[in-house]
Amino acid sequence: EVQLVESGGGSVQPGGSLRLSCAASGFTFSRYWMHWVRQAPGKGLVCVSRINSDGSTTTYADSVKGRFTISRDNTKNTLYLQMNSLGLEDTAVYYCARDLGATSGWGQGTLVIVSS
Amino acid sequence: EIVLTQSPATLSLSPGERATLSCRASQSVNRYLTWYQQKSGQAPRLLIYDASTRATGIPARFSGSGSGTDFTLTISSLEPEDFAVYYCQQRSIWPLTFGGGTKVEIK
Repeated sequence: EVQLVESGGGSVQPGGSLRLSCAASGFTFSRYWMHWVRQAPGKGLVCVSRINSDGSTTTYADSVKGRFTISRDNTKNTLYLQMNSLGLEDTAVYYCARDLGATSGWGQGTLVIVSS
Repeated sequence: EIVLTQSPATLSLSPGERATLSCRASQSVNRYLTWYQQKSGQAPRLLIYDASTRATGIPARFSGSGSGTDFTLTISSLEPEDFAVYYCQQRSIWPLTFGGGTKVEIK
């Protein structure tokens, strides 16, 4: 069974940083593209970043480019999202997701609150 | 960026009725269209991928159709557990985008 468990969320002041982690189990992590998708309170879903199976290719939404960095450690079956220069607009539940197609699977999310 | 427009925003129906949800893309996504169900406080759940293929374990009352720019998710007969928000998502080009969602609520 696919399991994705996010951690690292919390409250941070504007301009601060957080590092999210996503521990994967139940599948061969190193074979899949992975994504971070966020959902602001009461709003829809936005894919902010993705990374290919070996970590050599990353892409970002314009809204986070230059501030967020996605990475992975296939030896630890873990996905990361380093978030810097956080703004109020980054407040959201952040989900890690395997694939976003035929084999899509999602974690339960971790809440990030940016507030002064 | 491909914009996905879902309609209606809210669908008020009774259990046993048929639900028809629409997703329109601003440009062709071929058949790279995925449907998710999300209940309050939960992560999205994969329902349909590649426009019309049901994911493992998804009941046959859920079906998807369409290609190019126009897609439909149909729930043939609503069960109580089907009342939720439904999102479409395209994986044709980056950025991967989601529609704004359709809330299926109990009438």
